[in-house]
Amino acid sequence: AQSVTQLGSHVSVSEGALVLLRCNYSSSVPPYLFWYVQYPNQGLQLLLKYTTGATLVKGINGFEAEFKKSETSFHLTKPSAHMSDAAEYFCAVSPDGGTSYGKLTFGQGTILTVHP
Amino acid sequence: NAGVTQTPKFQVLKTGQSMTLQCAQDMNHNSMYWYRQDPGMGLRLIYYSASEGTTDKGEVPNGYNVSRLNKREFSLRLESAAPSQTSVYFCASSDPTWTGSGYNSPLHFGNGTRLTVT
Repeated sequence: AQSVTQLGSHVSVSEGALVLLRCNYSSSVPPYLFWYVQYPNQGLQLLLKYTTGATLVKGINGFEAEFKKSETSFHLTKPSAHMSDAAEYFCAVSPDGGTSYGKLTFGQGTILTVHP
Repeated sequence: NAGVTQTPKFQVLKTGQSMTLQCAQDMNHNSMYWYRQDPGMGLRLIYYSASEGTTDKGEVPNGYNVSRLNKREFSLRLESAAPSQTSVYFCASSDPTWTGSGYNSPLHFGNGTRLTVT
C-alpha cells in the first residue's frame, strides 16, 4: 500500500522568497506523483504530475517538482513566492496508471501563507 | 464550460437522516470518484466508478452507497447520517488516455459539498 507524508502542515514565506513544500511517499511499485492546489472554497486543481521520463517536472504558475527515487521524495518548489500562491497544497500518489489512475492517496496538506 | 458540478453546496443533517449528494460532469469522462476531505487528513477515496455501469469501494466506504446513473452522473448516498460523516465531499472525474509515455488526464474536481451532521 502506498502512503504520502507532507512535512509541515503550515509553511510561511515572504513575497519573493523561495517556496519549498516537502513530500515523501512510499509505494511498492513505480509511482505516479502529483501536486494539487486548493484555493479557499474551491476544489483541487492539478499543479503538475510525474508519470515517467524526466524527473524534473514543471507545472503551472511557475512551480516545479523533482522526483528523487533514492530519497522517495517529490518536493515542490517555486523560486519566488507571490501573494496569489497562498493556498493549501496536496501531494498525492497513484501506484500506477490504468484503472487505478484516479485512486489517489493524498498527503495531509500544507497551508502556504505568503507575507507581503 | 461547467466541468464537474456538485449539488448541494451546503447541507446540515440530523443524525439518522438520509441524503444524496449529486455530481455531474460534462467532459465525457469515463471515470468518476467521490472523496471526502477532513482537516489534517487530506482527501480519502470513498467510492469510484471506472466506467459506466461499474462501481467499487475506495479507502473509506462504510456508511455510503453510490450510483453511476449514466456516463455523466455519479451520486453518493448517506442512508443514516452520523456525526463522523461531517466533512467536505468532492466529486472528481477523469479520462486517462495512454500517450505512450504516460497518462495525460488529471482528475477534475468539483467545488465540493460541505456537510454537517448534528
